[in-house]
Amino acid sequence: DTAVSQTPKYLVTQMGNDKSIKCEQNLGHDTMYWYKQDSKKFLKIMFSYNNKELIINETVPNRFSPKSPDKAHLNLHINSLELGDSAVYFCASSQSQGERFFGPGTRLTVL
Amino acid sequence: GNSVTQMEGPVTLSEEAFLTINCTYTATGYPSLFWYVQYPGEGLQLLLKATKADDKGSNKGFEATYRKETTSFHLEKGSVQVSDSAVYFCALLISGGYNKLIFGAGTRLAVHP
Repeated sequence: DTAVSQTPKYLVTQMGNDKSIKCEQNLGHDTMYWYKQDSKKFLKIMFSYNNKELIINETVPNRFSPKSPDKAHLNLHINSLELGDSAVYFCASSQSQGERFFGPGTRLTVL
Repeated sequence: GNSVTQMEGPVTLSEEAFLTINCTYTATGYPSLFWYVQYPGEGLQLLLKATKADDKGSNKGFEATYRKETTSFHLEKGSVQVSDSAVYFCALLISGGYNKLIFGAGTRLAVHP
């Protein structure tokens, strides 16, 4: 069974569009994250939710809005997509400060 | 601030060669240290970890020792295989606070037969 899953795996869209990426974990973890990996493979935390509450919100444009409907889900909505948003987005989860389990990633390409 | 510095890649080795990927860190407090591996087209997987000074993490033939005196956590493997080709990330986690996992820039390893 997949521990952390993301959909879609690939997303190609035009500048200015709005898109969402979904993440689900079936590990019973209380904390979920979104990371962005740029073209040089550099990984940076974007958001972290603990028990559906936002606890980390890095310097990310407010076009990015995370939503956590329940502990098992953390979705990422992006408004008015820009070329610079092209990256691989990884969802992850952990139990409190424990090991992060990462999803397979969503490769977003903005044309 | 807290940061992780890794040696730049790519690192290119022949099969059965010895591998070292350097990692040093700057941290306030007492971090836990991790190595993650990302195989082509996949997400990150935890490779090994160490939670306090002098701890040695090991997995799949890889080892790293938490050296507080040199603020280092170098990854080593005695004999690499083609299947080890991947990107390796060193990371630190500061206990308490906002539980941020801070990654190094990643080091690409290419192993040739």
